Amino acid sequence: QSALTQPASVSGSPGQSITISCTGTSSDVGSYNLVSWYQLHPGKAPKLMIYEGSKRPSGVSNRFSGSKSGNTASLTISGLQAEDEADYFCCSYAGSSPYVFGTGTKVTVL
Amino acid sequence: QVTLKESGPVLVKPTETLTLTCTVSGFSLSNAKMGVSWIRQPPGKALEWLAHIFSNDEKSYSTSLKSRLTISKDTSKSQVVLTMTNMDPVDTATYYCAAAPARAYYFDYWGQGTLVTVSS
Repeated sequence: QSALTQPASVSGSPGQSITISCTGTSSDVGSYNLVSWYQLHPGKAPKLMIYEGSKRPSGVSNRFSGSKSGNTASLTISGLQAEDEADYFCCSYAGSSPYVFGTGTKVTVL
Repeated sequence: QVTLKESGPVLVKPTETLTLTCTVSGFSLSNAKMGVSWIRQPPGKALEWLAHIFSNDEKSYSTSLKSRLTISKDTSKSQVVLTMTNMDPVDTATYYCAAAPARAYYFDYWGQGTLVTVSS
């Protein structure tokens, strides 16, 4: 199972919106509405930001939203804040080898 | 409050077997509502899912690493153990354990991870 494709880096100024794409195949992203997104800060436990494509866990800011079109899922961060600077990974259910992660995106707040 | 904490050796030699322990609190490993996975991240690279154990002791493994992995749990100690045989320098990574709700395909709680270096 190949990793899902994400842009290596995305940047934006405070207050702006950015979108991170996560491209898979018809065997993973395209077949299931089971994409989740994780935020990784160095030295800290990864944090679930979005699950099942577009659902936000309790406590996650509504500035984070998820969507999907075909084989590509997206995470949008609106009203970008300094604390959003981190690495972000998508993950999709993929059937028999159940989880495939994305290549990761470094978000920089300019 | 659900927490997970990974423990194990910082350094292993090539060909050795790695044993990692994930100690959980805030839920029971016999609770049908949660399962635990191991996931790793080599330095500067993507996350990679390794293995999962369900509350009923059913197990699932990465297809590419299945021959080297064993996941198990000790409910009385609230621990999930991962063993990986025949370690190689390419296995150098931060290893995480993460909890997933039953019948769901996402990880809502993670440990902070433990860095394992494979070197002679």
